[in-house]
Amino acid sequence: KAGVTQTPRYLIKTRGQQVTLSCSPISGHRSVSWYQQTPGQGLQFLFEYFSETQRNKGNFPGRFSGRQFSNSRSEMNVSTLELGDSALYLCASSTLRDSYNEQFFGPGTRLTVL
Amino acid sequence: GESVGLHLPTLSVQEGDNSIINCAYSNSASDYFIWYKQESGKGPQFIIDIRSNMDKRQGQRVTVLLNKTVKHLSLQIAATQPGDSAVYFCAEISLAAGGTSYGKLTFGQGTILTVHP
Repeated sequence: KAGVTQTPRYLIKTRGQQVTLSCSPISGHRSVSWYQQTPGQGLQFLFEYFSETQRNKGNFPGRFSGRQFSNSRSEMNVSTLELGDSALYLCASSTLRDSYNEQFFGPGTRLTVL
Repeated sequence: GESVGLHLPTLSVQEGDNSIINCAYSNSASDYFIWYKQESGKGPQFIIDIRSNMDKRQGQRVTVLLNKTVKHLSLQIAATQPGDSAVYFCAEISLAAGGTSYGKLTFGQGTILTVHP
């Protein structure tokens, strides 16, 4: 079974631009979560989607948004990019609708904002 | 706010030694604790988890110990190998009233484990 895939793997943008990152979960997984990883703040939760609905959101400004499609693929968008948005963006997928279950992470998208 | 943190940022061991990676947490309401391994250029990989009502859980070459009295979590790796070199994160998750986690893992800062041949 293929793992979580993320595209693109690397991205360079300039301040003020917007960016869209894509995540394809493991087949059959309906929950997709997004995380931001930086050296200073570590891994921080952005949001989680299940069946096209955002169920949970972390403490990030409204410039960070996401969505999930009917095939469970998810995208996240960052508008009006700032230098501090440079990070590794990770998505993770899991199977169960409820309770806790293992999250499988993709390789991430490395975003550099110049 | 609630957080999960690590005592040591780096750990160097010799191949064959046992490694112990520690983690302190602050959320006494956490339901599960999870250890992840992240190698360079890859996303975090699940190692082992433990439910909050357990004290110990063993996997293949790994053991997780949970001490709720002092809010401490540790990962023990037996016979550490060069392939174990990576950054190790502890994470916690709290289930909502209905038993749903809604995906939110709270991660510690990470420990860099280096295994010397």
